Amino acid sequence: EAGVTQSPTHLIKTRGQQATLRCSPISGHTSVYWYQQALGLGLQFLLWYDEGEERNRGNFPPRFSGRQFPNYSSELNVNALELEDSALYLCASRMDRGLNQPQHFGDGTRLSIL
Amino acid sequence: AQSVTQLGSHVSVSEGALVLLRCNYSSSVPPYLFWYVQYPNQGLQLLLKYTSAATLVKGINGFEAEFKKSETSFHLTKPSAHMSDAAEYFCAVSDHAGKLTFGQGTILTVHP
Repeated sequence: EAGVTQSPTHLIKTRGQQATLRCSPISGHTSVYWYQQALGLGLQFLLWYDEGEERNRGNFPPRFSGRQFPNYSSELNVNALELEDSALYLCASRMDRGLNQPQHFGDGTRLSIL
Repeated sequence: AQSVTQLGSHVSVSEGALVLLRCNYSSSVPPYLFWYVQYPNQGLQLLLKYTSAATLVKGINGFEAEFKKSETSFHLTKPSAHMSDAAEYFCAVSDHAGKLTFGQGTILTVHP
């Protein structure tokens, strides 16, 4: 069974640009979560998508947005990039809304802002 | 609001020694708790999960954790450390929406 896949592995942008990160969940998983892992800030919840809808978002500005497609894959878009957006962005998927179902993580996209 | 505290940002043990990584949680509802491991330049790998079926949970790679409600703790242990266990470990609690709140992580170093 293929795991969660994320692309690209690395992404280098400059301030003010826009970045798009992609995530393919494990087959059969309908929920997709996005987390930011920034140096010194730990792992922070960004967004949750389920059945194509945004269900919850963390304490991030609106320039962080995304969507989930009919095949349950997801995109994270970050507009007007700032230096502090440099981080590892992790995507996770889960089978259903049952709280006892663990999230399975991809290897992340390393976003570097110059 | 839920929270997780991992005591000790760095833990160092000798190969073959006991590994003990501490995690305390705060939750207004019965918690769903998880331990994840992160190797350099990789994502998070699930080690084990607590879902109220049993207080002692066995995970992969010889790790286990014990849920103690009275102490609001979910400490991770392994009887004998191996060099390959060197990594960063995260304790997490799930809220009603399935969102994970992570502890700050503990970096485990294993000395030969």
